Amino acid sequence: AQSVAQPEDQVNVAEGNPLTVKCTYSVSGNPYLFWYVQYPNRGLQFLLKYITGDNLVKGSYGFEAEFNKSQTSFHLKKPSALVSDSALYFCAVIGGGFQKLVFGTGTRLLVSP
Amino acid sequence: NAGVTQTPKFRVLKTGQSMTLLCAQDMNHEYMYWYRQDPGMGLRLIHYSVGEGTTAKGEVPDGYNVSRLKKQNFLLGLESAAPSQTSVYFCASSSGTGRSGYTFGSGTRLTVV
Repeated sequence: AQSVAQPEDQVNVAEGNPLTVKCTYSVSGNPYLFWYVQYPNRGLQFLLKYITGDNLVKGSYGFEAEFNKSQTSFHLKKPSALVSDSALYFCAVIGGGFQKLVFGTGTRLLVSP
Repeated sequence: NAGVTQTPKFRVLKTGQSMTLLCAQDMNHEYMYWYRQDPGMGLRLIHYSVGEGTTAKGEVPDGYNVSRLKKQNFLLGLESAAPSQTSVYFCASSSGTGRSGYTFGSGTRLTVV
């Protein structure tokens, strides 16, 4: 069975500092990993994905994520946080074959001025 | 390009009432999904469809029914609403097996009193 864990309910960071939002996964076969962002009263927006290839994936709004197969992790990172990055972030995974996208419980990122 | 459109955006129901949520996509996607989002629980799959005329149960299907009579539309029905169905409902669609990611609608906020 597929599963995703986001161990932090909330991450607090000061504007200009680097940020990391953690995600670990469990899946059979090769994983397809995604990060989505949700702003208040909005739907989920795609940030980035890992399918294969380079372990460092670059996405929208300056975000990137590092795939680590040995640690089964896919942490979201940004070198310099903005107040406007404050939102709810979801990690998601699909395993081999047709399996549905499974989401983590979400991590709320709060960037203070 | 509208993407995925959900109607209505907000609704208040009394316990026992019925309603239908409509999802429409204009991307010619084969696969469509209904999720519910609850605090601390992330997104949970209710039902999904792998093509016109097909439906299948997801993680939390009880109390809901769905239909996919046309490829572009995926309807979610509540026959007898219960307070436990108070949630935000998201529709999504994908091409193929979803490994390129899902496109989400903006959500329907449903309150059952």
